[in-house]
Amino acid sequence: EAGVVQSPRYKIIEKKQPVAFWCNPISGHNTLYWYLQNLGQGPELLIRYENEEAVDDSQLPKDRFSAERLKGVDSTLKIQPAELGDSAVYLCASSLGGDEQFFGPGTRLTVL
Amino acid sequence: GEDVEQSLFLSVREGDSSVINCTYTDSSSTYLYWYKQEPGAGLQLLTYIFSNMDMKQDQRLTVLLNKKDKHLSLRIADTQTGDSAIYFCAVMLSGGYNKLIFGAGTRLAVHP
Repeated sequence: EAGVVQSPRYKIIEKKQPVAFWCNPISGHNTLYWYLQNLGQGPELLIRYENEEAVDDSQLPKDRFSAERLKGVDSTLKIQPAELGDSAVYLCASSLGGDEQFFGPGTRLTVL
Repeated sequence: GEDVEQSLFLSVREGDSSVINCTYTDSSSTYLYWYKQEPGAGLQLLTYIFSNMDMKQDQRLTVLLNKKDKHLSLRIADTQTGDSAIYFCAVMLSGGYNKLIFGAGTRLAVHP
């Protein structure tokens, strides 16, 4: 069974540019999560989807971050415009029922 | 809010046992997890324990939970060089939110 797929794996952009990350969860998993992992820290939840619905986006900086999960499968996380402080690893995870979350390899973003 | 604390670094000799410790603040946490992260990779779920248990064993891994002291530990028996990684403790908040709160991670270094 394929795991959580994320792309791109690495992205380097200049500040003020837009950037988008894509996630394909494990087949059949209805819950999808986006996490932010800063260097030397644990992941922090940005947004959680139950199917198409964003049920917890309290930690998502809505002035520049947006996310969508059309059709309740793949998801895209966007930053516009990116700032230097957005440099981090963006992790996607999925679960069926919520007890076990399975993580993708992440997208490492560098903002110059 | 919930806080999860871990020591940052642990060094052990190959073949010895490793014990990674974690403390948390939310006494109503439902599930408690251990994840492993190797360089450049996402998080791999190692094991988890439900809050009404005090011990769980899975091959070389033993998880101990002391609810009174809000202390969780992961013991790795016969530690190997392939166990070198960062280990994250995470707790799930109660209330059906499926929200994981992670510690900052413990870097385990295994030397010959």
